[in-house]
Amino acid sequence: DSGVTQTPKHLITATGQRVTLRCSPRSGDLSVYWYQQSLDQGLQFLIQYYNGEERAKGNILERFSAQQFPDLHSELNLSSLELGDSALYFCASSAGLAREQFFGPGTRLTVL
Amino acid sequence: AQKVTQAQTEISVVEKEDVTLDCVYETRDTTYYLFWYKQPPSGELVFLIRRNSFDEQNEISGRYSWNFQKSTSSFNFTITASQVVDSAVYFCALSETGGFKTIFGAGTRLFVKA
Repeated sequence: DSGVTQTPKHLITATGQRVTLRCSPRSGDLSVYWYQQSLDQGLQFLIQYYNGEERAKGNILERFSAQQFPDLHSELNLSSLELGDSALYFCASSAGLAREQFFGPGTRLTVL
Repeated sequence: AQKVTQAQTEISVVEKEDVTLDCVYETRDTTYYLFWYKQPPSGELVFLIRRNSFDEQNEISGRYSWNFQKSTSSFNFTITASQVVDSAVYFCALSETGGFKTIFGAGTRLFVKA
């Protein structure tokens, strides 16, 4: 158990809908990362927050947004969903920058 | 720009064979960090090792060993006497100074057959 929690574990929704994925980092970790892993694909970095502030963006679509709250949990919002958004979404946390990341179990999103 | 290349898409070995997973990286920074992660069939990602660019010492942890060579921009991972439980996808990753972004390689899928 990495100490990082993600909810929900599975999410099935329809095209055009909006969903919110939630992540709670390990106790004490200030940095939260979001990744997308499509079928048989590597990990695509989406966005990173450090102590509530956005610090880096990867290939995150404009339809996607995220935030980190004062209690350090983070949410990833995906809107106007398309079939191609079906993927495993991972959240990770670390104690600091360039430190090892601890990953949550992921949220499997299926868009029908 | 950062880049991590894992040229081996899939490797299949028989149990007890040694296997090396290659990782080549590109960065303009002099200070950077390299990582290896394991993703077993269950799906979770597990941290294996972190190495900074100033520490070129090789590291051994049980059956796992890592060879870091700045001259060739490589950070290779060797599993000695592989076991079926080593079957997984292994990712190499790079984080530059500041550490705001971590770039992962495409991963190498390792099959260890009994």
